[in-house]
Amino acid sequence: EAGVAQSPRYKIIEKRQSVAFWCNPISGHATLYWYQQILGQGPKLLIQFQNNGVVDDSQLPKDRFSAERLKGVDSTLKIQPAKLEDSAVYLCASSLDREQPQHFGDGTRLSIL
Amino acid sequence: AQSVTQLDSQVPVFEEAPVELRCNYSSSVSVYLFWYVQYPNQGLQLLLKYLSGSTLVKGINGFEAEFNKSQTSFHLRKPSVHISDTAEYFCAAFNTGFQKLVFGTGTRLLVSP
Repeated sequence: EAGVAQSPRYKIIEKRQSVAFWCNPISGHATLYWYQQILGQGPKLLIQFQNNGVVDDSQLPKDRFSAERLKGVDSTLKIQPAKLEDSAVYLCASSLDREQPQHFGDGTRLSIL
Repeated sequence: AQSVTQLDSQVPVFEEAPVELRCNYSSSVSVYLFWYVQYPNQGLQLLLKYLSGSTLVKGINGFEAEFNKSQTSFHLRKPSVHISDTAEYFCAAFNTGFQKLVFGTGTRLLVSP
C-alpha cells in the first residue's frame, strides 16, 4: 500500500512569512495527525483529526497555526506568520482509527531565517 | 500526565554486539507501547508494538522488547546489531484513557565497525 505522502520535503522562509504543508494519508485511514519535531526531541502532537473533525488541538498555537482536513482525506497545515522557533520537521501520520498504530510520512523540514 | 522517559540520549556499540535501549513510562491507566525508528531525513517507522497478551514482543529487523508492568518499562533489545541499525529510536506510549500517543525524547544508536 502507498504510504503517507507529504510535500514539500524542504522549505526555507523568512520570519513573518507564511507557509503551508500538505499531507495525503494512507487510503482508508480515518485518523490523521500533525506533529512538530524540533531537533533533538521526540515528535509533539499539534492536531489530530478523526475524518474531517478535530479531535485534539490542545497543543496547536492557534494564534499562528491552522489546519484543515476537508472531505476527510488530505490535510493542510499552515503557519502565519512564522517565527524563528517554528524551525522543525513537521510530520504527518495516519491510522485506521485512534487506537491503531500510526504510520508516518517523511516530513517537511522547515527552516526559518 | 503521561510521560515516557528514555534515559540514554546516545548509545554507542560495536557491530555484532548486543544492545538494549531503555524506556520507562508513567501512566495510571492502561497503555499500549510502541518503538519507532527514524533514519536520517525520514519519518518514523514502526518497529514493534505491545497492545496486550505476551509480554515479549518481536518486531522487524530482529528487534524485540519486553513489557514489564511492575517496573513500567518497555526496553528494546537486539542480540547482534548491524551498521545499518544506526538511527534514532523513539519509545511511545498510548494512553487508552486520554487517547493520546506520547513520545520519549529518543535514543541515538551509533553502530561502529
